[in-house]
Amino acid sequence: QQQVKQSPQSLIVQKGGISIINCAYENTAFDYFPWYQQFPGKGPALLIAIRPDVSEKKEGRFTISFNKSAKQFSLHIMDSQPGDSATYFCAARQYNFNKFYFGSGTKLNVKP
Amino acid sequence: GAVVSQHPSRVICKSGTSVKIECRSLDFQATTMFWYRQFPKQSLMLMATSNEGSKATYEQGVEKDKFLINHASLTLSTLTVTSAHPEDSSFYICSARDATGRIDEQYFGPGTRLTVT
Repeated sequence: QQQVKQSPQSLIVQKGGISIINCAYENTAFDYFPWYQQFPGKGPALLIAIRPDVSEKKEGRFTISFNKSAKQFSLHIMDSQPGDSATYFCAARQYNFNKFYFGSGTKLNVKP
Repeated sequence: GAVVSQHPSRVICKSGTSVKIECRSLDFQATTMFWYRQFPKQSLMLMATSNEGSKATYEQGVEKDKFLINHASLTLSTLTVTSAHPEDSSFYICSARDATGRIDEQYFGPGTRLTVT
């Protein structure tokens, strides 16, 4: 059973546009929600993360929106650039089990 | 800060041999390290959680006798794939959590591409 559901599977955005990736979860024991960026042949790198007591967090061009009641969170990439083309994973951590659960990934392609 | 290295980055081995992959936290101490497996165009699958000085906790369906994990120090964990077969070919990624416990995040290594011929 997929603990974290991610959509879309792939996304094509024009340079300068906004990329939006969505994730949903069911387990209310999750207490930390990071987003990772992964380039081909590389390990994931933390992009931005949020805790459920905050509804939005912004770091540069990247924003997480968090809706606790709906159990959904999303990543917004403003002014998307070709260099943002990568695979993005959302994740959720269950603290007491010290485990992270990953979404299925979204392959983003930003066209110049 | 928070750098995790893996060695080797790529390895090719013959079927039936064993391969050891090292995961090191370079600038912090990690009481917990995680081992993931990633198939092409798929998500990360957690294989096991290793805690320094104790036995690893394996996820359901992961053969503990095939994937031996040792976490002998606060900066080093190793994954040994024993009697490797072509179906073990994959991208193996480790991650580490800071020992202080104050930091939520896990830091990923660059991954190891294993090809079994």
